[in-house]
Amino acid sequence: AQSVTQLDSQVPVFEEAPVELRCNYSSSVSVYLFWYVQYPNQGLQLLLKYLSGSTLVKGINGFEAEFNKSQTSFHLRKPSVHISDTAEYFCAVARSGGSYIPTFGRGTSLIVHP
Amino acid sequence: ETGVTQSPTHLIKTRGQQVTLRCSSQSGHNTVSWYQQALGQGPQFIFQYYREEENGRGNFPPRFSGLQFPNYSSELNVNALELDDSALYLCASSLVGANYNEQFFGPGTRLTVL
Repeated sequence: AQSVTQLDSQVPVFEEAPVELRCNYSSSVSVYLFWYVQYPNQGLQLLLKYLSGSTLVKGINGFEAEFNKSQTSFHLRKPSVHISDTAEYFCAVARSGGSYIPTFGRGTSLIVHP
Repeated sequence: ETGVTQSPTHLIKTRGQQVTLRCSSQSGHNTVSWYQQALGQGPQFIFQYYREEENGRGNFPPRFSGLQFPNYSSELNVNALELDDSALYLCASSLVGANYNEQFFGPGTRLTVL
């Protein structure tokens, strides 16, 4: 089985500052990794995914994440945030070659202040 | 291209009642997954349907059941509602057969059990 730990439940940051949302995972098999964003009263939208290949993954809205196998981490970063990035962010892991059903973390609330 | 839609948007039920939630898949998709997202938590996998058959199930009791129809739309049924069933229920559709099948989420149905 896989599991995900999002180390921060809430991350406050000022507009135009950089941000990192931390995610660690646990799995005994190869995995796929994902970051999703959820805006208030909406469903989840995929920001980016790691399936294989380059460990630095670029996604939508200027976000990127780096897969670190030795540290079992998949931290999400953005060099300069906007007010509109205020949302809930979920890290997820799925067993590669399986049914691709993701296991989600508890989420990190990103709050961007003007 | 029509995205994933869910109905109703909100629903209030009392303990012991039964509820049916509906989901229409994104055009061209053949698989539907259902998730429960309790307040302040990440989504938890309930089950997945592929070609009208259950294709995987999470740790949910049998009073959670589902259907997938020939047009790939789906229903989630919950019997004997409990207070802890209050949550946002998310539906996600995908296309099985590709090397990786991204799940596209609907906006969810907010269920409140009193």
